[in-house]
Amino acid sequence: GAGVSQSPRYKVAKRGQDVALRCDPISGHVSLFWYQQALGQGPEFLTYFQNEAQLDKSGLPSDRFFAERPEGSVSTLKIQRTQQEDSAVYLCASSYGTGWHEAFFGQGTRLTVV
Amino acid sequence: GDSVTQMEGPVTLSEEAFLTINCTYTATGYPSLFWYVQYPGEGLQLLLKATKADDKGSNKGFEATYRKETTSFHLEKGSVQVSDSAVYFCALSEAGAQKLVFGQGTRLTINP
Repeated sequence: GAGVSQSPRYKVAKRGQDVALRCDPISGHVSLFWYQQALGQGPEFLTYFQNEAQLDKSGLPSDRFFAERPEGSVSTLKIQRTQQEDSAVYLCASSYGTGWHEAFFGQGTRLTVV
Repeated sequence: GDSVTQMEGPVTLSEEAFLTINCTYTATGYPSLFWYVQYPGEGLQLLLKATKADDKGSNKGFEATYRKETTSFHLEKGSVQVSDSAVYFCALSEAGAQKLVFGQGTRLTINP
Protein backbone atom coordinates (compact mmCIF):
# COMPACT_ATOMS: atom_id res chain seq x y z
CA GLY A 1 0.00 0.00 0.00
CA ALA A 2 0.92 3.64 -0.19
CA GLY A 3 1.44 4.14 3.52
CA VAL A 4 1.47 2.45 6.91
CA SER A 5 -1.91 0.97 7.62
CA GLN A 6 -3.22 0.19 11.10
CA SER A 7 -6.35 -1.66 12.11
CA PRO A 8 -8.70 -1.29 13.73
CA ARG A 9 -8.76 2.50 13.87
CA TYR A 10 -10.79 2.41 17.06
CA LYS A 11 -11.15 -0.30 19.66
CA VAL A 12 -13.20 -0.33 22.83
CA ALA A 13 -12.29 -3.10 25.25
CA LYS A 14 -13.72 -4.09 28.58
CA ARG A 15 -11.21 -4.18 31.40
CA GLY A 16 -9.58 -7.59 31.49
CA GLN A 17 -10.16 -8.30 27.80
CA ASP A 18 -7.28 -9.17 25.45
CA VAL A 19 -6.77 -7.03 22.33
CA ALA A 20 -4.68 -7.35 19.17
CA LEU A 21 -3.67 -4.35 17.09
CA ARG A 22 -2.39 -4.79 13.56
CA CYS A 23 0.18 -2.84 11.57
CA ASP A 24 0.85 -3.20 7.84
CA PRO A 25 4.08 -1.34 7.12
CA ILE A 26 5.16 0.09 3.79
CA SER A 27 6.23 -2.77 1.54
CA GLY A 28 9.96 -3.43 1.73
CA HIS A 29 10.51 -1.47 4.91
CA VAL A 30 12.96 -3.25 7.16
CA SER A 31 12.37 -1.38 10.42
CA LEU A 32 9.10 -1.28 12.32
CA PHE A 33 8.29 0.61 15.52
CA TRP A 34 5.40 0.73 17.96
CA TYR A 35 4.69 3.82 20.06
CA GLN A 36 2.05 4.59 22.69
CA GLN A 37 0.52 8.07 22.80
CA ALA A 38 -1.53 8.99 25.84
CA LEU A 39 -4.03 11.82 25.56
CA GLY A 40 -2.27 15.18 25.36
CA GLN A 41 1.19 13.61 25.38
CA GLY A 42 3.85 12.83 22.83
CA PRO A 43 4.37 9.29 21.55
CA GLU A 44 6.46 7.00 23.73
CA PHE A 45 8.55 4.20 22.30
CA LEU A 46 7.38 0.65 22.95
CA THR A 47 9.37 -1.68 20.72
CA TYR A 48 11.45 -2.00 17.54
CA PHE A 49 11.76 -4.74 14.91
CA GLN A 50 14.38 -5.18 12.25
CA ASN A 51 12.74 -7.59 9.82
CA GLU A 52 11.35 -10.34 12.07
CA ALA A 53 13.80 -9.77 14.91
CA GLN A 54 12.61 -7.77 17.91
CA LEU A 55 15.78 -5.86 18.73
CA ASP A 56 14.46 -3.53 21.41
CA LYS A 57 11.46 -4.04 23.66
CA SER A 58 12.62 -1.79 26.44
CA GLY A 59 9.55 0.44 26.22
CA LEU A 60 6.92 -2.24 26.77
CA PRO A 61 5.29 -1.20 30.06
CA SER A 62 4.56 -4.65 31.41
CA ASP A 63 4.56 -8.32 30.52
CA ARG A 64 0.94 -7.89 29.43
CA PHE A 65 2.27 -6.26 26.28
CA PHE A 66 3.61 -8.48 23.52
CA ALA A 67 4.56 -7.69 19.92
CA GLU A 68 5.48 -9.91 17.02
CA ARG A 69 6.43 -9.65 13.37
CA PRO A 70 6.83 -13.28 12.37
CA GLU A 71 7.49 -12.87 8.63
CA GLY A 72 9.17 -9.51 8.73
CA SER A 73 6.24 -7.54 7.37
CA VAL A 74 2.91 -7.32 9.24
CA SER A 75 3.19 -6.78 12.98
CA THR A 76 0.74 -7.33 15.80
CA LEU A 77 0.77 -5.67 19.21
CA LYS A 78 -1.14 -7.72 21.76
CA ILE A 79 -2.26 -6.47 25.13
CA GLN A 80 -3.50 -9.04 27.61
CA ARG A 81 -5.91 -8.35 30.46
CA THR A 82 -6.33 -4.71 29.46
CA GLN A 83 -6.49 -2.05 32.15
CA GLN A 84 -7.78 1.50 32.05
CA GLU A 85 -4.27 2.93 31.96
CA ASP A 86 -3.74 1.14 28.65
CA SER A 87 -6.16 3.58 27.00
CA ALA A 88 -4.11 5.47 24.41
CA VAL A 89 -3.42 5.77 20.71
CA TYR A 90 -1.02 3.08 19.51
CA LEU A 91 1.13 4.23 16.62
CA CYS A 92 3.06 2.07 14.21
CA ALA A 93 5.89 3.41 12.05
CA SER A 94 8.15 1.84 9.46
CA SER A 95 11.36 2.91 7.78
CA TYR A 96 13.38 1.68 4.86
CA GLY A 97 16.74 0.79 6.32
CA THR A 98 18.49 -0.17 9.49
CA GLY A 99 20.35 3.07 10.02
CA TRP A 100 18.42 6.26 10.46
CA HIS A 101 15.86 6.66 7.73
CA GLU A 102 12.69 8.70 7.83
CA ALA A 103 10.03 6.80 9.70
CA PHE A 104 6.53 6.87 8.22
CA PHE A 105 3.72 6.71 10.74
CA GLY A 106 0.30 5.16 10.49
CA GLN A 107 -2.81 6.96 11.73
CA GLY A 108 -2.87 4.86 14.85
CA THR A 109 -5.36 2.73 16.74
CA ARG A 110 -7.25 4.48 19.51
CA LEU A 111 -7.80 1.99 22.34
CA THR A 112 -10.33 2.82 25.03
CA VAL A 113 -10.57 0.46 28.00
CA VAL A 114 -13.84 0.74 29.92
CA GLY B 1 17.64 9.55 30.24
CA ASP B 2 17.01 11.57 27.12
CA SER B 3 14.10 13.99 27.13
CA VAL B 4 12.49 16.74 25.08
CA THR B 5 10.58 19.71 26.47
CA GLN B 6 8.33 21.83 24.29
CA MET B 7 6.56 25.06 24.95
CA GLU B 8 3.10 24.39 26.23
CA GLY B 9 0.14 25.02 24.04
CA PRO B 10 -2.29 25.61 22.72
CA VAL B 11 -0.93 28.42 20.59
CA THR B 12 -3.38 30.57 18.64
CA LEU B 13 -2.21 33.07 16.05
CA SER B 14 -3.66 35.11 13.24
CA GLU B 15 -2.79 34.37 9.65
CA GLU B 16 0.55 35.89 8.53
CA ALA B 17 1.83 36.13 12.11
CA PHE B 18 5.34 35.03 13.07
CA LEU B 19 5.57 31.66 14.79
CA THR B 20 8.03 30.32 17.33
CA ILE B 21 7.58 27.03 19.15
CA ASN B 22 10.33 26.44 21.68
CA CYS B 23 12.02 23.07 22.11
CA THR B 24 14.88 22.12 24.42
CA TYR B 25 16.40 18.72 24.93
CA THR B 26 18.51 16.66 27.28
CA ALA B 27 20.69 13.95 25.81
CA THR B 28 23.76 11.99 26.80
CA GLY B 29 25.33 12.02 23.34
CA TYR B 30 24.97 13.95 20.13
CA PRO B 31 21.44 13.35 18.94
CA SER B 32 19.70 14.14 15.71
CA LEU B 33 16.77 16.50 16.15
CA PHE B 34 13.41 16.51 14.41
CA TRP B 35 10.12 18.30 14.13
CA TYR B 36 7.10 16.18 13.30
CA VAL B 37 3.65 17.52 12.44
CA GLN B 38 0.26 15.88 12.86
CA TYR B 39 -2.52 17.41 10.78
CA PRO B 40 -6.10 16.66 11.82
CA GLY B 41 -7.03 13.08 10.99
CA GLU B 42 -3.59 12.19 9.67
CA GLY B 43 -0.52 10.36 10.90
CA LEU B 44 2.67 12.00 12.13
CA GLN B 45 4.81 13.40 9.32
CA LEU B 46 8.42 14.47 9.39
CA LEU B 47 8.58 18.25 8.91
CA LEU B 48 12.34 18.86 9.16
CA LYS B 49 15.49 17.56 10.75
CA ALA B 50 19.05 18.48 11.71
CA THR B 51 21.77 15.97 12.43
CA LYS B 52 24.58 18.05 13.95
CA ALA B 53 25.24 21.29 15.76
CA ASP B 54 24.54 24.49 13.79
CA ASP B 55 22.64 22.59 11.08
CA LYS B 56 19.45 24.28 9.96
CA GLY B 57 16.51 22.16 8.90
CA SER B 58 13.88 23.73 6.70
CA ASN B 59 10.69 22.72 4.91
CA LYS B 60 7.43 24.40 3.85
CA GLY B 61 8.66 27.76 5.16
CA PHE B 62 9.48 26.32 8.61
CA GLU B 63 13.02 26.45 9.98
CA ALA B 64 14.84 25.18 13.05
CA THR B 65 18.52 25.46 13.97
CA TYR B 66 20.36 22.88 16.09
CA ARG B 67 21.90 24.87 18.95
CA LYS B 68 24.21 22.68 21.00
CA GLU B 69 25.21 25.48 23.39
CA THR B 70 21.62 26.06 24.46
CA THR B 71 20.42 22.48 23.75
CA SER B 72 17.57 23.92 21.70
CA PHE B 73 15.81 23.36 18.38
CA HIS B 74 13.14 26.05 18.18
CA LEU B 75 10.69 25.93 15.28
CA GLU B 76 10.03 29.19 13.42
CA LYS B 77 7.94 30.38 10.48
CA GLY B 78 7.79 33.92 9.26
CA SER B 79 4.18 34.00 8.09
CA VAL B 80 1.77 31.26 9.12
CA GLN B 81 -1.26 30.12 7.17
CA VAL B 82 -4.54 28.58 8.26
CA SER B 83 -3.31 25.30 6.73
CA ASP B 84 -0.48 25.20 9.29
CA SER B 85 -2.98 24.42 12.04
CA ALA B 86 -1.80 21.12 13.50
CA VAL B 87 0.01 19.55 16.45
CA TYR B 88 3.79 19.91 16.31
CA PHE B 89 6.19 17.51 18.04
CA CYS B 90 9.87 18.03 18.69
CA ALA B 91 11.87 14.81 18.90
CA LEU B 92 15.40 13.46 19.17
CA SER B 93 17.19 10.27 18.27
CA GLU B 94 20.54 9.34 19.74
CA ALA B 95 23.25 8.33 17.29
CA GLY B 96 22.98 4.63 16.58
CA ALA B 97 19.61 4.37 18.25
CA GLN B 98 16.48 3.57 16.36
CA LYS B 99 13.86 5.08 18.59
CA LEU B 100 12.58 8.63 18.73
CA VAL B 101 12.06 10.51 22.00
CA PHE B 102 9.21 12.99 21.62
CA GLY B 103 8.15 16.13 23.41
CA GLN B 104 4.56 16.46 24.55
CA GLY B 105 3.40 18.32 21.45
CA THR B 106 2.15 21.85 20.84
CA ARG B 107 -1.26 22.43 19.30
CA LEU B 108 -1.22 25.35 16.87
CA THR B 109 -4.37 27.05 15.61
CA ILE B 110 -4.20 29.73 12.94
CA ASN B 111 -7.23 31.99 12.56
CA PRO B 112 -8.01 33.70 9.24
